[in-house]
Amino acid sequence: DAGITQSPRHKVTETGTPVTLRCHQTENHRYMYWYRQDPGHGLRLIHYSYGVKDTDKGEVSDGYSVSRSKTEDFLLTLESATSSQTSVYFCAISEPLRGPRTDTQYFGPGTRLTVL
Amino acid sequence: GESVGLHLPTLSVQEGDNSIINCAYSNSASDYFIWYKQESGKGPQFIIDIRSNMDKRQGQRVTVLLNKTVKHLSLQIAATQPGDSAVYFCAENLASGWSGGSNYKLTFGKGTLLTVNP
Repeated sequence: DAGITQSPRHKVTETGTPVTLRCHQTENHRYMYWYRQDPGHGLRLIHYSYGVKDTDKGEVSDGYSVSRSKTEDFLLTLESATSSQTSVYFCAISEPLRGPRTDTQYFGPGTRLTVL
Repeated sequence: GESVGLHLPTLSVQEGDNSIINCAYSNSASDYFIWYKQESGKGPQFIIDIRSNMDKRQGQRVTVLLNKTVKHLSLQIAATQPGDSAVYFCAENLASGWSGGSNYKLTFGKGTLLTVNP
């Protein structure tokens, strides 16, 4: 998984509780991403980061916040979990080539979150 | 919870046959494409990529073909093996340019479930 770990790997929580998922990389890649994956949908981008303290929203950012205080860690927080946030969450990293192109995104193993 | 493989188009092949998985992409301005493989319970794994200045690229047992005229991408797997059973999906790059803080986003297809019968 390209030097990417996610923790926890599984979590069950109750509606209304805060939840934080952690992504840790050892590749020193600049870009980090959080996606969710649900049956019937492709991977959907929640938030991404293009450097320490530099983050931006993706297409499904409502109800989620992120923080990146150092290159290797990207945290995803659900301030008050809802049942609609039950999903599998994937972290990805990339190191874009200089210029108007992207580089491959490499994914972590995922976190399965269940909100009861 | 439900497997990501549910609700997906499926392709069933015999071991040793060649497999062809197709993907229609959405943006004619996309210039970079990736194929990923996702096994049950795991994260997506990079297989092969191709840039829009090419129409074919080969890897080990895999070939990606790009037809920009009809916005179509295909993945060919030669001599398919049981270990190739997985969900395969394509991704396209919608990056709009470099501006220092510009994002590099990929848009992902929903995928195809490949089942290899021994």
